[in-house]
Order: sequence, then C-alpha cells, then structure tokens
Amino acid sequence: GNSVTQMEGPVTLSEEAFLTINCTYTATGYPSLFWYVQYPGEGLQLLLKATKADDKGSNKGFEATYRKETTSFHLEKGSVQVSDSAVYFCALREGAAGNKLTFGGGTRVLVKP
Amino acid sequence: DTAVSQTPKYLVTQMGNDKSIKCEQNLGHDTMYWYKQDSKKFLKIMFSYNNKELIINETVPNRFSPKSPDKAHLNLHINSLELGDSAVYFCASSALGTVYEQYFGPGTRLTVT
Repeated sequence: GNSVTQMEGPVTLSEEAFLTINCTYTATGYPSLFWYVQYPGEGLQLLLKATKADDKGSNKGFEATYRKETTSFHLEKGSVQVSDSAVYFCALREGAAGNKLTFGGGTRVLVKP
Repeated sequence: DTAVSQTPKYLVTQMGNDKSIKCEQNLGHDTMYWYKQDSKKFLKIMFSYNNKELIINETVPNRFSPKSPDKAHLNLHINSLELGDSAVYFCASSALGTVYEQYFGPGTRLTVT
C-alpha cells in the first residue's frame, strides 16, 4: 500500500533560519504529492503541490521538488518567520484511489523570535 | 464565507452515548471526506462520499456511520462511544478529478469521558 514518512518533530528554529522537512513516499503508481499546513486550532490548508517528477511546487516562500528517483518531496524555506509555526503534513494521492490522500505523521515546527 | 463548516467545534460526552457531527460545504464540490486525527496529530481517512455515494470506507468500526443527505452535506454519526474515539475529526471536500485540492473544515474535537 501507499505510505508517507516524514521526519519527526518538533523542529525548533530561530527566526530567519533555513527550514527543511524531509518527506519520502512509497506508492505503486505515479502519485501527486502535496504539503499541507495546520496552524494551531485550525484545519489543514494546502501549501503546495506537484503532480509529476521534477515538478517544483512553491507558495509563501516554501518549495518542494518531486524527486521520483529518491521518492522524496522535501519541504524547504529559506528564512522562516514566527508565523510559520505550525504542523506540516506531507501527503500523496494516486489517481486510482478515489481522490484519497495518504498523509505522513506530521512535523511540528516552532519558530522562536 | 466559510467553505467547509463543521458543528459542533467541541463535543464532550460519556462512554456509551451516541453523537453526531455535521459537515457542510458551499464550494459546489462533488466529494466529501471524514478524517480522524489522533492526539499525536496522525491523520487518517475514514470515509469518502461522491455525489452521496460511498466510495472510500477504511477499516472503521461499524459504530461509525456517515450519512450524506445531499452532496453539500456529510454527517458522521457515532454509536456507543468509546474512550478511543476521542480525537479531532475533520471534514473535507474536493472536486472530483486528478489533483484537485481538498479543503478542510476547522475540525471537531471529541472528548469521550
């Protein structure tokens, strides 16, 4: 079956530091890949997505590149802000799965001023 | 305008009770979902409905029964609540397609005592 593995948190950073959250996946086909973000007390929001190999998704200064050869989709941001403190979820979706998303375990990020 | 709304936001109840959580989306989407997020933030799909028809049913106890009166609503009824049902339940919706984003509701925190 499909699975997504993320680095465990919490990740604690100072403002303006570089953030990387590792994500690797296992899938039988050619999935689409997503990063969702959950701010405290809220539901998940789509942060970025990539639909095929070598695609780069980007939004709000975050980037992730779909690497088929390493089955990875690592999230990066060059300079984090306190407002980036949240839980980040990597997810995949296979076309034959009825729009079903498979999520990683989430990585909590805490940015200190 | 709220895209995906859930009621109630908090639900505290005793073991053995029956309770319902309601979800409504005003996005015109065809597909709706219920997810369960445990205390460690692990997120897992429970059900998915497309145009009132059940299309995903993960291995969820049959005490959980989703009901979709129309494609804008997907309610979750839980019978004989157990301590292990305590979690945050998220409703989501999407347009049926290849890489359409899932929009999440704010969540319902269920506490079973």
